[in-house]
Amino acid sequence: EDQVTQSPEALRLQEGESSSLNCSYTVSGLRGLFWYRQDPGKGPEFLFTLYSAGEEKEKERLKATLTKKESFLHITAPKPEDSATYLCAVQAGNYGQNFVFGPGTRLSVLP
Amino acid sequence: KAGVTQTPRYLIKTRGQQVTLSCSPISGHRSVSWYQQTPGQGLQFLFEYFSETQRNKGNFPGRFSGRQFSNSRSEMNVSTLELGDSALYLCASSEKQGMNTEAFFGQGTRLTVV
Repeated sequence: EDQVTQSPEALRLQEGESSSLNCSYTVSGLRGLFWYRQDPGKGPEFLFTLYSAGEEKEKERLKATLTKKESFLHITAPKPEDSATYLCAVQAGNYGQNFVFGPGTRLSVLP
Repeated sequence: KAGVTQTPRYLIKTRGQQVTLSCSPISGHRSVSWYQQTPGQGLQFLFEYFSETQRNKGNFPGRFSGRQFSNSRSEMNVSTLELGDSALYLCASSEKQGMNTEAFFGQGTRLTVV
């Protein structure tokens, strides 16, 4: 059974304090790993897609990396507006959207 | 380009009733998927539609059903509502089915069953 876990469950950072979020997965036939950001009461907002081990993508203060068993979302010098829940999802199997989501990491960045 | 639109945003229903939720995908997107989000279970896949056909289905009872119209708009129906059906229901659209493509989510419909 495809599984996705995320750690830590919650993370509090001071503004400017860099850190990393972890996403570990067990899937058969990974087609893609996705990172989303979700603000309270809103739908997830797409951040990155990673397809193969060794791949990296960056967007502003965020950088996502992928290995064969896990992905990291690195946050450099975060700002309070980066506070949100970060969700990791995998697409596996042969077809279909069918994301399997992790439970998320709730990030709070304090000014 | 307009995003994914879900209606209504909020809904309160009584146990035993049925409910229909609507989703309009991004223009040109032909794949629509539905997800249920609860504090305890997180985001769980319900089903995916592409070209008016259900392509994938998650592990939910038959009380949860859906359909897609020729203009790619989709509806989700839940019959005989239970208290445990209270959740945020999210719709996501993507350009293609069966490809490595990201999904864009709507704001969701918050369903409360009393």
